[in-house]
Parts: sequence; structure tokens; C-alpha cells
Amino acid sequence: GEKVEQHESTLSVREGDSAVINCTYTDTASSYFPWYKQEAGKSLHFVIDIRSNVDRKQSQRLIVLLDKKAKRFSLHITATQPEDSAIYFCAAASSGSWQLIFGSGTQLTVMP
Amino acid sequence: DMKVTQMPRYLIKRMGENVLLECGQDMSHETMYWYRQDPGLGLQLIYISYDVDSNSEGDIPKGYRVSRKKREHFSLILDSAKTNQTSVYFCASSSSTGGDTQYFGPGTRLLVL
Repeated sequence: GEKVEQHESTLSVREGDSAVINCTYTDTASSYFPWYKQEAGKSLHFVIDIRSNVDRKQSQRLIVLLDKKAKRFSLHITATQPEDSAIYFCAAASSGSWQLIFGSGTQLTVMP
Repeated sequence: DMKVTQMPRYLIKRMGENVLLECGQDMSHETMYWYRQDPGLGLQLIYISYDVDSNSEGDIPKGYRVSRKKREHFSLILDSAKTNQTSVYFCASSSSTGGDTQYFGPGTRLLVL
């Protein structure tokens, strides 16, 4: 079955710099790639997603890139702020599948 | 206001006791999920429910069962809890379309002694 690997378990950046979190997946049938944010002690909430019919999507300071050939996708957070500090999870799902396969999470720390 | 609720938020049980975790959603979503989250493992799917009385096992169903008698309500039951079921449990819901945003509840922290 699908496996999603999240390459950075921790990431520290200075406020104002960009942060990049990388994920790879194994199932070529995967076509939906959401990202979730979990602040300390809280639940997960959706931040951005990308589908396989595009290779780039931006929402304000968040950019998601998808490389289908390499089976890799990444989350770029530009102009980071302290409130961006959280655990970020990538996930993947096959077309028409209800099941998301999650990566293990990246703890992002934005230092003032 | 789209919302997923979970009760209780914190629970301490002794090994062998039964546990009932409850989840509700107000979005009329057909699909609901139960996950557990353990450090370093991300989220693991326990069960998925496609609608009332239409449930399927996820990746780690052993030791758990579920019940969905109303679309807005999904329960997770641990019959005779084990210490290795100590975890944080999240419920989520999504629309019926595959590959749609999942909305998560606040989580239940379960400690089994």
C-alpha cells in the first residue's frame, strides 16, 4: 500500500526566512496531497492541498509543489512568523479514495 | 460553523476496562474516521465509516470496534482496554467525495493504566 515519508522530523528557521518541508510517496495512483498543521497540544487543521492535475499551488505565504515523476511534494512557507511554529503533516490519497496516508510530521520552529 | 466534537477530552482507565469515545459532526458529512496519534508515527487510521452502519477497517483495527447509528455520530469502543492503547485519538469527517478535506476533532487523550 501507499507509504508517505516525511523527510525532516525537525526544522528550525529564523523569522522572515522560508521553510521547506519535503515528502515522498510510493503509489503512482495518488492524486490528492493535503497538508495539515498541528499546534502544540491541539488538533490538526487543514492548511493547503494540491491535486495531481497541477504542479504548483499558492495560498498567501504557503506554496505547494508537486513532482509526479519523482513522487515528491513539498510545502514552502515564505516570510515565516513565530505563529507558523507547529507540526506539519503531509498526506496522500489515491483518486476516489477516502483514506489519507499521513507522513510522520515535521516540527517547525520559527525563531524570533 | 463547521465543527467536529469529541467526548471525553481526557480519560484514565484501568487495563481490562471498557472505553467509549464519542464523536459528533454538524456538517452532514457522510464519511467519518477514527485515528490514533503516537509520537513519531503520525496518524494511523483505525476505522472509516462511509455512512450509517457502513464501516470498514483501517490500518490498525485490532482491539477496536466502532458504531455509527446516526450520520452525525461515530463511536469508538475499546473492549477490555490494554496499556498499549494509551494514545491520543482523533475523529475526523469529510464529504462523500474521495480526496476531500478532512475536518478533525480536538482529540481524546486516553491513558490506560
